[in-house]
Amino acid sequence: DAKTTQPPSMDCAEGRAANLPCNHSTISGNEYVYWYRQIHSQGPQYIIHGLKNNETNEMASLIITEDRKSSTLILPHATLRDTAVYYCIVKGSGNTGKLIFGQGTTLQVKP
Amino acid sequence: DTAVSQTPKYLVTQMGNDKSIKCEQNLGHDTMYWYKQDSKKFLKIMFSYNNKELIINETVPNRFSPKSPDKAHLNLHINSLELGDSAVYFCASSQDLAGGSDTQYFGPGTRLTVL
Repeated sequence: DAKTTQPPSMDCAEGRAANLPCNHSTISGNEYVYWYRQIHSQGPQYIIHGLKNNETNEMASLIITEDRKSSTLILPHATLRDTAVYYCIVKGSGNTGKLIFGQGTTLQVKP
Repeated sequence: DTAVSQTPKYLVTQMGNDKSIKCEQNLGHDTMYWYKQDSKKFLKIMFSYNNKELIINETVPNRFSPKSPDKAHLNLHINSLELGDSAVYFCASSQDLAGGSDTQYFGPGTRLTVL
């Protein structure tokens, strides 16, 4: 049911920026793009979300294309602790609040 | 001061038994959820409650019965446990059920193993 497409895995060197892409070509006008991550054996952790504009917080930046059909999550200085599965989720007001998780991208940060 | 907590963290039991998992959130949120993560790591919504009222029931067998005594607690009771119930169960909470801009906070998970 996932409405997003992500690469199954990516590598990143420690200290470098990690850029995780997500395609959501069927996104509707009132749907948000959410990013969560799951570090091994832990509960999913919220990272960031956005509607149209680019967003930045203490964890990451979210770049959404003008047509909103794709987005990129940027971890500016990846550390080993950022190794996790990253989920891009499209969520609107009409789906009763549930998050639909896809397979996500497994990010491996290497020393 | 854990935001969303679950007990127990691990649960090992025999087929046919009945067990419960408890969840509590201290965030003052109105909505709570149960998700199941199976051995293939897929995370799927099971239930959600808003102010103690069931909102989502995602075709979960009726052996699973959520109970919300108050809006800070959502417990999951499972009857007649089966091998296929083995999974990690995550509780989550959020402030706004219907809004598109809504962040869910997850608990640490309960790993259920049915022998």
